[in-house]
Amino acid sequence: DIVMTQSPDSLAVSLGERATINCKSSQSVLYTSNNKNYLAWYQQKPGQPPKLLISWASTRESGVPDRFSGSGSGTDFTLTISSLQAEDVAVYYCQQYYSNPYTFGPGTKVDIK
Amino acid sequence: QVQLVQSGSELKKPGASVKVSCKASGYTFTNYAMNWVRQAPGQGLEWMGWINTNTGNPTYAQGFTGRFVFSLDTSVSTAYLLISSLKADDTAVYYCARDIPFDTWGQGTLVTVSS
Repeated sequence: DIVMTQSPDSLAVSLGERATINCKSSQSVLYTSNNKNYLAWYQQKPGQPPKLLISWASTRESGVPDRFSGSGSGTDFTLTISSLQAEDVAVYYCQQYYSNPYTFGPGTKVDIK
Repeated sequence: QVQLVQSGSELKKPGASVKVSCKASGYTFTNYAMNWVRQAPGQGLEWMGWINTNTGNPTYAQGFTGRFVFSLDTSVSTAYLLISSLKADDTAVYYCARDIPFDTWGQGTLVTVSS
């Protein structure tokens, strides 16, 4: 199984400042035949289901604000919130969908400082 | 709009069974896989497996074989999760989620197992 790790476990950022979350997979999730990274990011606000923010490591879903961006390839990935807003307080999960089982990272909690 | 609506919260005794439903609307049900995800209280997300909505063939993640059964009723665009021989540590919110990656989620169903 591919093990997903995230860092930090939690972070507190001032409104308008940058938040950066890292995700690492135990093996590459880059499928070389199509050059796609099978990596997604989800946001889960308290009491709500998760919401898909980014797929293929860097493709924002429709309606997701452009302050959210994903980067990385192979085994190392980053989710960046360029200017944190109050509504971004949530837990963020990365997930690999390269191979079954489709494992999630443990989550990173983002709060306002 | 694409929507998944799950059945309501359940309180069950150990040893009982529970069946959670997930009704899809706004798209062709058989064109997309359906996944099930578990979230224990205060914990992260755990993928339980998925069901091919075209063939009905389920795939279960390790740890979700035996007592867990995925099924469909395509006539009403609904997926089901059956959990039998419930244990206290089955207490969790169970989500259905469409496609891979999971682009649409149900609102979640809280299953509480307590004597």
